[in-house]
Amino acid sequence: GQQVMQIPQYQHVQEGEDFTTYCNSSTTLSNIQWYKQRPGGHPVFLIQLVKSGEVKKQKRLTFQFGEAKKNSSLHITATQTTDVGTYFCAGVNNAGNMLTFGGGTRLMVKP
Amino acid sequence: DGGITQSPKYLFRKEGQNVTLSCEQNLNHDAMYWYRQDPGQGLRLIYYSQIVNDFQKGDIAEGYSVSREKKESFPLTVTSAQKNPTAFYLCASSLLLGVPTEAFFGQGTRLTVV
Repeated sequence: GQQVMQIPQYQHVQEGEDFTTYCNSSTTLSNIQWYKQRPGGHPVFLIQLVKSGEVKKQKRLTFQFGEAKKNSSLHITATQTTDVGTYFCAGVNNAGNMLTFGGGTRLMVKP
Repeated sequence: DGGITQSPKYLFRKEGQNVTLSCEQNLNHDAMYWYRQDPGQGLRLIYYSQIVNDFQKGDIAEGYSVSREKKESFPLTVTSAQKNPTAFYLCASSLLLGVPTEAFFGQGTRLTVV
């Protein structure tokens, strides 16, 4: 079945440093989504990427979808303490009927 | 307000007892999912359903059961066969096709076996 791997599992950064998490799927995806889960909360949708090579930005967050539609990345520029949480990618298969989450990257930011 | 509701928020269960977690959505979503999350860990899929009266096992279905008698409802039963049920349980729903296909999550249920 479809597998989605995410690295790193944990990341500690100093406030102001950049952060990147990477996501890789075992199969080609229809689209990929990113979610953020704050400590004690539930995952909340951030963005969806559909096209090969697509890049989207949300303020300090930059999302990329690979040319082969099998990998993706999330980059945060100049992290802030409000960025703390776990970031999950989730891949939708080509049939569009299955959403598979990666293991998540837990980001910790030291003020 | 449209959304997905899980209840209860906290649940305590004695060993050997079955317990049912509720998940209701009024988003008219076709697909519903149950995930288990252990402290500091990712989301592991327990069961999912794409249509009423049909559901599929996920990666860790053993010791769990579900039903999908109505589009809006997807309850999860944690049976006594689940050896380590203490965890955070998240229910989600999404459209099957079309854009957007984002998943909406409930607030979660924290289950503790005492």
